Amino acid sequence: QVQLKESGPGLVQPSQTLSLTCTVSGFSLTSNSVHWVRQPPGKGLEWVGAIWSGGSTDYNSALKSRLSISRDTSKSQVFLKMNSLQTEDTAIYFCTQITTGYWGQGVMVTVSS
Amino acid sequence: DVVLTQTPVSLSVTLGDQASISCRSSQSLEYSDGYTYLEWYLQKPGQSPQLLIYEVSNRFSGVPDRFIGSGSGTDFTLKISRVEPEDLGVYYCFQATHDPYTFGAGTKLELK
Repeated sequence: QVQLKESGPGLVQPSQTLSLTCTVSGFSLTSNSVHWVRQPPGKGLEWVGAIWSGGSTDYNSALKSRLSISRDTSKSQVFLKMNSLQTEDTAIYFCTQITTGYWGQGVMVTVSS
Repeated sequence: DVVLTQTPVSLSVTLGDQASISCRSSQSLEYSDGYTYLEWYLQKPGQSPQLLIYEVSNRFSGVPDRFIGSGSGTDFTLKISRVEPEDLGVYYCFQATHDPYTFGAGTKLELK
């Protein structure tokens, strides 16, 4: 069955780079897109970006200058890298297929010194 | 970017009541293929969001028929007839018509 699982550091220092991995199973990255969505504590959902089945990417306008999404299809993994982190980037980060209803459980990332 | 405005921000209901949530878009969500990619999600505390409705009015697998999505263009509504305890949480509309994709700010459904 379809599964997505996020992993990464729980704590990142301000101005550093965040690296997250989404490991998927039950589907092929060359046939399906994977999206990242984040949620600051106590706040709403924010679409971060996506990598499409063909490998192209789209990003949230406000984050695009700091964001990169890539993948390794042989390992069924999608990567999110965001640089110049600030405290407002503290959030739960989810990976998801979005419109098919499949979501990971999310990973909490705290930006703090 | 498309802005989705959800009203109300919060909604207090009695179990068994009907609830209605509005989602208004800053531009039409009809795509060039004729489909409208407006979805509704419910997020319960401590959980990932769950898809309820896709393409305005199609219920996702396993979603009870008391959830009804409607609308077109820029105005959309989610109605929940006969609210049950498991329906409580925060509802989000989401558009996947225009890049970048965007969520509404959410509507919290709680008990009166």
